Amino acid sequence: NAGVTQTPKFQVLKTGQSMTLQCAQDMNHEYMSWYRQDPGMGLRLIHYSVGAGITDQGEVPNGYNVSRSTTEDFPLRLLSAAPSQTSVYFCASSPGKNTEAFFGQGTRLTVV
Amino acid sequence: GQQVMQIPQYQHVQEGEDFTTYCNSSTTLSNIQWYKQRPGGHPVFLIQLVKSGEVKKQKRLTFQFGEAKKNSSLHITATQTTDVGTYFCAGNFGNEKLTFGTGTRLTIIP
Repeated sequence: NAGVTQTPKFQVLKTGQSMTLQCAQDMNHEYMSWYRQDPGMGLRLIHYSVGAGITDQGEVPNGYNVSRSTTEDFPLRLLSAAPSQTSVYFCASSPGKNTEAFFGQGTRLTVV
Repeated sequence: GQQVMQIPQYQHVQEGEDFTTYCNSSTTLSNIQWYKQRPGGHPVFLIQLVKSGEVKKQKRLTFQFGEAKKNSSLHITATQTTDVGTYFCAGNFGNEKLTFGTGTRLTIIP
């Protein structure tokens, strides 16, 4: 089983460029989330979705957009990359509220 | 805001010694989850605690949820090199979001 698949695994962007981080899950989970992980700061929630067509902001949403047109996919868009967005990004899915989260392998993004 | 504090940030132990990490919240939690992240890897779910005073064990790992549902701990007995990694707690405050602690990075001295 593939589980949660993130692409790409690594990316280098120039300041001001835009890009989309892809996340797909094949477990038919309703809940999907995006986190960023920075040294000493744990995982911080960027955006989340409780089902297709529904998204909401997390703790650190500025500079990021999401959409959820299907149950399987939850892409994260960086509109105009900034060095402060250099981080490791994790996508996660869960069957429902208050259930185990399954994480993807992560995307290591560097903005120069 | 709703935050989950986790201590210590780092812990170095000799192989065979015990290890404990603690999480605290100023607000009552609905439940708390624990995850392990190996170096270079992604977080992997270990367990969820829901009830006040709950204690759960997984082999050498013991998880506790405080009576007031504001704190939790993970204790590893007789650490092994396979225990290396960062341990995160993640609290839920009654909504759809998980709030992660900052993690405790465990290193083992053989």
